[in-house]
Amino acid sequence: GESVGLHLPTLSVQEGDNSIINCAYSNSASDYFIWYKQESGKGPQFIIDIRSNMDKRQGQRVTVLLNKTVKHLSLQIAATQPGDSAVYFCAENLKSSGSARQLTFGSGTQLTVLP
Amino acid sequence: DGGITQSPKYLFRKEGQNVTLSCEQNLNHDAMYWYRQDPGQGLRLIYYSQIVNDFQKGDIAEGYSVSREKKESFPLTVTSAQKNPTAFYLCASSTKGFNQPQHFGDGTRLSIL
Repeated sequence: GESVGLHLPTLSVQEGDNSIINCAYSNSASDYFIWYKQESGKGPQFIIDIRSNMDKRQGQRVTVLLNKTVKHLSLQIAATQPGDSAVYFCAENLKSSGSARQLTFGSGTQLTVLP
Repeated sequence: DGGITQSPKYLFRKEGQNVTLSCEQNLNHDAMYWYRQDPGQGLRLIYYSQIVNDFQKGDIAEGYSVSREKKESFPLTVTSAQKNPTAFYLCASSTKGFNQPQHFGDGTRLSIL
């Protein structure tokens, strides 16, 4: 899976199947995590976030799981659709200063949905 | 509609030239950020600002400058000192409060002539 600082280029899934995108983070003090979706030529789009005091959070067709013991984050997409094809980034918050949050982004996973 | 507007979408720079990328937000967000994205890589923080007339360097600030004269605007200047400016530049903003995600514009692609 993706790791903040390491590169995992692609994940291919059949349309209708579930997708799981993984991310390993490095700092046990990180307290907030975000998943973004980026389509070609566009800015990242917020998908879902999770705080470190939670293990799981669900959105519409997406679920984020956080395992702090092994510092692992995953994004599950149910019933993957062609429109889900994009690059997915995880981001961790390492430190916060006032109203600004400094996020560290992984290198991304390219999800390709096969017909 | 509320959002973040970056302009231009494409920009070309000549050697020795400074260029300025625009970022405007109407979300009433306090914090704004500039990131650089290189092909196949994640985002790296250039500068960020928590409040008007205040900004801090990120991880790769060398060769860049910013200003924050208005809450809505956070322009980025890529100076001639930035020797490898070709990249996709993304602006983001976030509201106050614990654990608020950053929201992004659609970027400016800068290339060298």
